[in-house]
Amino acid sequence: EAQVTQNPRYLITVTGKKLTVTCSQNMNHEYMSWYRQDPGLGLRQIYYSMNVEVTDKGDVPEGYKVSRKEKRNFPLILESPSPNQTSLYFCASSRRSGTSGYNEQFFGPGTRLTVL
Amino acid sequence: AQSVTQLDSHVSVSEGTPVLLRCNYSSSYSPSLFWYVQHPNKGLQLLLKYTSAATLVKGINGFEAEFKKSETSFHLTKPSAHMSDAAEYFCVVSVTGNQFYFGTGTSLTVIP
Repeated sequence: EAQVTQNPRYLITVTGKKLTVTCSQNMNHEYMSWYRQDPGLGLRQIYYSMNVEVTDKGDVPEGYKVSRKEKRNFPLILESPSPNQTSLYFCASSRRSGTSGYNEQFFGPGTRLTVL
Repeated sequence: AQSVTQLDSHVSVSEGTPVLLRCNYSSSYSPSLFWYVQHPNKGLQLLLKYTSAATLVKGINGFEAEFKKSETSFHLTKPSAHMSDAAEYFCVVSVTGNQFYFGTGTSLTVIP
């Protein structure tokens, strides 16, 4: 089954304790992205990656790191989490944009993170 | 810079009546526009997209949207609401195909 998986689905942690949220897709997509969803704010893009070893900042990158060493994986790293990073996080992937226009993003199920 | 404004945070309709979810965008260049739906405790699913082809776009589950450049709008409509349409809807704009800007969402309630 074609899908984007995220782990963990739920995480409660404390301020300053480094954590990684994994994201993996099995559709051979070039493009991957991370978003955070907060009430009343919709989804905001954190980082995106056009392909292996190619990453770039989205709208709200502060406090986050990413890496893209393999095509299928795009982990989100919080080196020193703070309470304002408490949020619902989504990973997404898509084929690279082509002549038909921008492609559908496939979203993972989400990771609910609480930082105390 | 691009941005999206969803004009209603909540919309309530009766089952079988039309649905209208409003979206206005701001973009310096020709944008691509999308509508995604999020059912409770689920991820997001693409309903439809506009990428400079036909201005009237048909999507899944009977939804459609019309791109109106003069009004900078991309409103989502459906002729007859179904209970299963109750969800959160997001309008999204992109110019580069790399960066995507979401609206704040419209929560649709369908009354039996």
